[in-house]
Amino acid sequence: DTAVSQTPKYLVTQMGNDKSIKCEQNLGHDTMYWYKQDSKKFLKIMFSYNNKELIINETVPNRFSPKSPDKAHLNLHINSLELGDSAVYFCASSQMGREETQYFGPGTRLLVL
Amino acid sequence: AQSVTQLGSHVSVSEGALVLLRCNYSSSVPPYLFWYVQYPNQGLQLLLKYTTGATLVKGINGFEAEFKKSETSFHLTKPSAHMSDAAEYFCAVSGGSYIPTFGRGTSLIVHP
Repeated sequence: DTAVSQTPKYLVTQMGNDKSIKCEQNLGHDTMYWYKQDSKKFLKIMFSYNNKELIINETVPNRFSPKSPDKAHLNLHINSLELGDSAVYFCASSQMGREETQYFGPGTRLLVL
Repeated sequence: AQSVTQLGSHVSVSEGALVLLRCNYSSSVPPYLFWYVQYPNQGLQLLLKYTTGATLVKGINGFEAEFKKSETSFHLTKPSAHMSDAAEYFCAVSGGSYIPTFGRGTSLIVHP
Protein backbone atom coordinates (compact mmCIF):
# COMPACT_ATOMS: atom_id res chain seq x y z
CA ASP A 1 0.00 0.00 0.00
CA THR A 2 2.04 2.94 -1.32
CA ALA A 3 2.02 5.97 1.00
CA VAL A 4 3.34 8.61 -1.43
CA SER A 5 3.23 7.79 -5.12
CA GLN A 6 4.49 9.70 -8.15
CA THR A 7 3.94 9.29 -11.86
CA PRO A 8 5.74 8.89 -14.09
CA LYS A 9 8.85 7.28 -12.65
CA TYR A 10 10.95 8.22 -15.67
CA LEU A 11 10.52 11.09 -18.07
CA VAL A 12 12.72 11.65 -21.13
CA THR A 13 11.84 14.64 -23.27
CA GLN A 14 13.18 17.28 -25.61
CA MET A 15 14.14 20.83 -24.72
CA GLY A 16 11.24 23.22 -25.05
CA ASN A 17 8.53 20.66 -24.27
CA ASP A 18 5.98 20.94 -21.44
CA LYS A 19 5.57 18.09 -18.97
CA SER A 20 3.70 17.27 -15.76
CA ILE A 21 4.48 15.09 -12.76
CA LYS A 22 1.71 13.87 -10.49
CA CYS A 23 1.86 13.05 -6.78
CA GLU A 24 -0.66 11.45 -4.45
CA GLN A 25 -0.47 10.63 -0.74
CA ASN A 26 -2.82 8.37 1.21
CA LEU A 27 -1.47 9.22 4.67
CA GLY A 28 -4.03 11.90 5.47
CA HIS A 29 -1.31 14.55 5.76
CA ASP A 30 -2.11 18.23 5.45
CA THR A 31 1.19 19.37 3.91
CA MET A 32 2.90 18.37 0.66
CA TYR A 33 6.21 19.35 -0.90
CA TRP A 34 8.22 19.25 -4.10
CA TYR A 35 11.99 18.79 -3.92
CA LYS A 36 14.61 18.77 -6.66
CA GLN A 37 17.67 16.52 -6.28
CA ASP A 38 20.59 17.24 -8.57
CA SER A 39 23.27 14.89 -9.82
CA LYS A 40 25.35 15.50 -6.68
CA LYS A 41 22.41 14.42 -4.51
CA PHE A 42 21.79 17.94 -3.20
CA LEU A 43 18.15 18.23 -2.13
CA LYS A 44 16.43 21.57 -2.67
CA ILE A 45 12.93 22.49 -1.52
CA MET A 46 10.88 24.00 -4.35
CA PHE A 47 7.31 24.34 -3.09
CA SER A 48 5.17 23.48 -0.11
CA TYR A 49 1.38 23.36 0.18
CA ASN A 50 -0.64 23.22 3.35
CA ASN A 51 -4.33 22.33 2.98
CA LYS A 52 -4.15 23.21 -0.74
CA GLU A 53 -2.62 26.63 -0.05
CA LEU A 54 0.85 27.51 -1.32
CA ILE A 55 3.02 28.40 1.67
CA ILE A 56 6.57 27.98 0.42
CA ASN A 57 7.73 29.11 -2.98
CA GLU A 58 11.50 29.10 -3.17
CA THR A 59 13.48 30.81 -5.87
CA VAL A 60 12.29 28.65 -8.72
CA PRO A 61 11.81 29.75 -12.35
CA ASN A 62 8.19 30.58 -13.07
CA ARG A 63 8.25 27.86 -15.73
CA PHE A 64 7.50 25.58 -12.76
CA SER A 65 3.91 25.72 -11.58
CA PRO A 66 2.54 23.53 -8.80
CA LYS A 67 -1.15 22.76 -8.41
CA SER A 68 -2.94 21.13 -5.52
CA PRO A 69 -6.49 20.08 -6.46
CA ASP A 70 -7.02 18.64 -2.96
CA LYS A 71 -5.03 17.79 0.18
CA ALA A 72 -4.01 14.40 -1.16
CA HIS A 73 -2.64 15.55 -4.51
CA LEU A 74 0.13 17.88 -5.60
CA ASN A 75 1.13 18.13 -9.24
CA LEU A 76 4.05 19.88 -10.86
CA HIS A 77 3.86 21.33 -14.36
CA ILE A 78 7.01 22.45 -16.14
CA ASN A 79 6.89 24.66 -19.23
CA SER A 80 9.60 25.09 -21.84
CA LEU A 81 11.93 22.47 -20.40
CA GLU A 82 15.65 23.26 -20.31
CA LEU A 83 18.71 21.04 -20.05
CA GLY A 84 19.31 22.25 -16.49
CA ASP A 85 15.93 20.90 -15.41
CA SER A 86 17.31 17.36 -15.66
CA ALA A 87 17.18 16.00 -12.11
CA VAL A 88 15.18 13.75 -9.82
CA TYR A 89 12.01 15.36 -8.48
CA PHE A 90 10.64 14.12 -5.19
CA CYS A 91 7.21 14.67 -3.76
CA ALA A 92 6.85 14.41 0.02
CA SER A 93 4.12 14.82 2.60
CA SER A 94 3.85 15.37 6.34
CA GLN A 95 1.65 16.83 9.00
CA MET A 96 2.43 20.49 9.63
CA GLY A 97 4.91 20.80 12.49
CA ARG A 98 8.63 21.10 13.17
CA GLU A 99 8.86 17.63 14.70
CA GLU A 100 6.99 15.90 11.90
CA THR A 101 8.57 13.28 9.66
CA GLN A 102 8.45 13.80 5.92
CA TYR A 103 7.41 10.85 3.79
CA PHE A 104 8.96 10.81 0.33
CA GLY A 105 7.74 9.38 -2.93
CA PRO A 106 10.01 7.22 -5.11
CA GLY A 107 11.03 10.14 -7.32
CA THR A 108 10.60 11.07 -10.97
CA ARG A 109 13.80 10.97 -13.01
CA LEU A 110 13.60 13.72 -15.61
CA LEU A 111 16.07 13.84 -18.48
CA VAL A 112 15.90 16.74 -20.89
CA LEU A 113 17.70 16.19 -24.20
CA ALA B 1 18.00 30.70 10.73
CA GLN B 2 18.94 27.05 10.49
CA SER B 3 21.63 25.13 8.68
CA VAL B 4 23.27 21.71 8.57
CA THR B 5 26.83 20.67 7.79
CA GLN B 6 27.65 17.06 7.03
CA LEU B 7 31.38 16.45 7.20
CA GLY B 8 32.59 14.19 4.43
CA SER B 9 30.67 13.67 1.23
CA HIS B 10 31.86 10.05 1.19
CA VAL B 11 32.64 7.66 4.05
CA SER B 12 34.13 4.25 3.33
CA VAL B 13 34.13 1.40 5.87
CA SER B 14 34.71 -2.32 5.85
CA GLU B 15 31.84 -4.69 6.58
CA GLY B 16 31.67 -5.20 10.35
CA ALA B 17 33.41 -1.90 11.14
CA LEU B 18 31.98 1.04 13.06
CA VAL B 19 29.98 3.54 11.04
CA LEU B 20 30.24 7.22 12.04
CA LEU B 21 28.54 9.91 9.96
CA ARG B 22 28.97 13.46 11.23
CA CYS B 23 26.36 16.19 11.36
CA ASN B 24 26.61 19.66 12.87
CA TYR B 25 23.71 22.06 12.92
CA SER B 26 22.95 25.69 13.53
CA SER B 27 19.60 26.84 14.88
CA SER B 28 18.30 29.97 16.60
CA VAL B 29 15.80 27.90 18.61
CA PRO B 30 15.92 24.41 20.17
CA PRO B 31 16.16 22.16 17.13
CA TYR B 32 14.43 19.06 15.98
CA LEU B 33 16.95 16.80 14.22
CA PHE B 34 16.52 14.02 11.70
CA TRP B 35 18.53 11.43 9.84
CA TYR B 36 17.12 10.13 6.57
CA VAL B 37 18.51 7.37 4.37
CA GLN B 38 18.21 7.11 0.59
CA TYR B 39 18.89 3.73 -1.02
CA PRO B 40 19.78 3.69 -4.72
CA ASN B 41 16.89 4.77 -6.97
CA GLN B 42 14.55 5.32 -4.04
CA GLY B 43 13.12 8.20 -2.06
CA LEU B 44 14.31 9.24 1.38
CA GLN B 45 13.03 7.44 4.46
CA LEU B 46 13.39 8.31 8.12
CA LEU B 47 16.11 6.54 10.11
CA LEU B 48 15.57 8.36 13.39
CA LYS B 49 14.75 11.74 14.86
CA TYR B 50 15.32 13.78 18.00
CA THR B 51 12.52 16.00 19.26
CA THR B 52 12.78 16.30 23.04
CA GLY B 53 13.76 14.07 25.96
CA ALA B 54 16.47 11.42 25.77
CA THR B 55 19.43 12.67 23.81
CA LEU B 56 20.44 9.21 22.59
CA VAL B 57 18.00 8.22 19.89
CA LYS B 58 17.70 4.73 18.44
CA GLY B 59 16.50 4.18 14.93
CA ILE B 60 15.90 1.43 12.44
CA ASN B 61 18.51 -1.07 11.25
CA GLY B 62 20.70 -0.69 14.34
CA PHE B 63 21.51 3.00 13.85
CA GLU B 64 21.55 5.53 16.66
CA ALA B 65 22.43 9.19 17.08
CA GLU B 66 23.22 11.40 20.03
CA PHE B 67 22.10 15.01 20.35
CA LYS B 68 24.90 17.08 21.91
CA LYS B 69 23.74 20.63 22.45
CA SER B 70 27.14 21.89 23.63
CA GLU B 71 28.75 20.65 20.41
CA THR B 72 25.73 21.41 18.17
CA SER B 73 26.11 17.91 16.80
CA PHE B 74 23.90 14.95 15.93
CA HIS B 75 26.29 12.27 14.69
CA LEU B 76 24.95 8.96 13.39
CA THR B 77 26.57 5.68 14.41
CA LYS B 78 26.18 1.95 13.92
CA PRO B 79 28.49 -0.53 15.69
CA SER B 80 28.87 -2.93 12.76
CA ALA B 81 28.37 -2.03 9.10
CA HIS B 82 26.53 -4.34 6.76
CA MET B 83 26.70 -4.35 2.98
CA SER B 84 23.03 -3.38 2.89
CA ASP B 85 23.85 -0.11 4.71
CA ALA B 86 25.44 1.31 1.55
CA ALA B 87 23.31 4.36 0.77
CA GLU B 88 23.15 8.15 0.92
CA TYR B 89 22.50 9.59 4.38
CA PHE B 90 21.00 13.01 5.02
CA CYS B 91 20.95 14.97 8.25
CA ALA B 92 18.18 17.57 8.59
CA VAL B 93 17.23 20.25 11.13
CA SER B 94 13.94 21.99 11.88
CA GLY B 95 14.78 25.12 13.81
CA GLY B 96 12.73 28.24 13.45
CA SER B 97 11.06 26.92 10.31
CA TYR B 98 8.76 23.91 10.13
CA ILE B 99 10.40 23.11 6.78
CA PRO B 100 13.56 21.11 7.55
CA THR B 101 16.89 22.10 6.07
CA PHE B 102 18.77 19.13 4.67
CA GLY B 103 22.52 18.65 4.62
CA ARG B 104 24.32 17.87 1.39
CA GLY B 105 24.36 14.14 2.16
CA THR B 106 27.06 11.58 2.92
CA SER B 107 27.50 8.56 0.72
CA LEU B 108 28.32 5.46 2.81
CA ILE B 109 30.38 2.86 0.98
CA VAL B 110 30.74 -0.56 2.58
CA HIS B 111 33.58 -2.85 1.46
CA PRO B 112 33.39 -6.62 1.88
